[in-house]
Amino acid sequence: DGGITQSPKYLFRKEGQNVTLSCEQNLNHDAMYWYRQDPGQGLRLIYYSQIVNDFQKGDIAEGYSVSREKKESFPLTVTSAQKNPTAFYLCASSIVDGKLFFGSGTQLSVL
Amino acid sequence: AQSVAQPEDQVNVAEGNPLTVKCTYSVSGNPYLFWYVQYPNRGLQFLLKYITGDNLVKGSYGFEAEFNKSQTSFHLKKPSALVSDSALYFCAVRDFISSGSARQLTFGSGTQLTVLP
Repeated sequence: DGGITQSPKYLFRKEGQNVTLSCEQNLNHDAMYWYRQDPGQGLRLIYYSQIVNDFQKGDIAEGYSVSREKKESFPLTVTSAQKNPTAFYLCASSIVDGKLFFGSGTQLSVL
Repeated sequence: AQSVAQPEDQVNVAEGNPLTVKCTYSVSGNPYLFWYVQYPNRGLQFLLKYITGDNLVKGSYGFEAEFNKSQTSFHLKKPSALVSDSALYFCAVRDFISSGSARQLTFGSGTQLTVLP
């Protein structure tokens, strides 16, 4: 099956800890995205990448980092600088100018 | 700057009745409009999109949306609601003139639809 796989489904972070969320796609899409979803606020763009080895900050990039070493993979690291990390994180991919295909999400919580 | 408004946080409708989920938008050029649906603890799924052409767009699961340029609206509709339609619905917009990817896509805050049996 083609699609986007996010892991883990649930993740807990301790104070001062960095955590990494995985996102893999086998749709052969060039563009990939990370969104943060908070209740009642819709989706906010964290980072996006249109090609391998290139990525751009979105609207709320502070406290997050990404890499795009392979077309299929776009991991997101939530650093200790992100003071309010509890949220539902969604990864998506698309062809240029196309609709978004979303993964099933990762719920991050703080211990 | 572009923006999307979904004026209703919650919409309740009885099964079998028609449903409408409202969306209004603001862009500087021609709009490129989407509806997505999200089931609990899941990612968003594409329902339909409007680029140009007929103002009534048909999408997945019997949903349709009506583009109204004068009212800058793109309301989602379904003639007969099902209990299984209960979910969170998001409208999204970007300026059609904008180059590149979905980077410029702006999402609304979502509308929770509950279909009562």
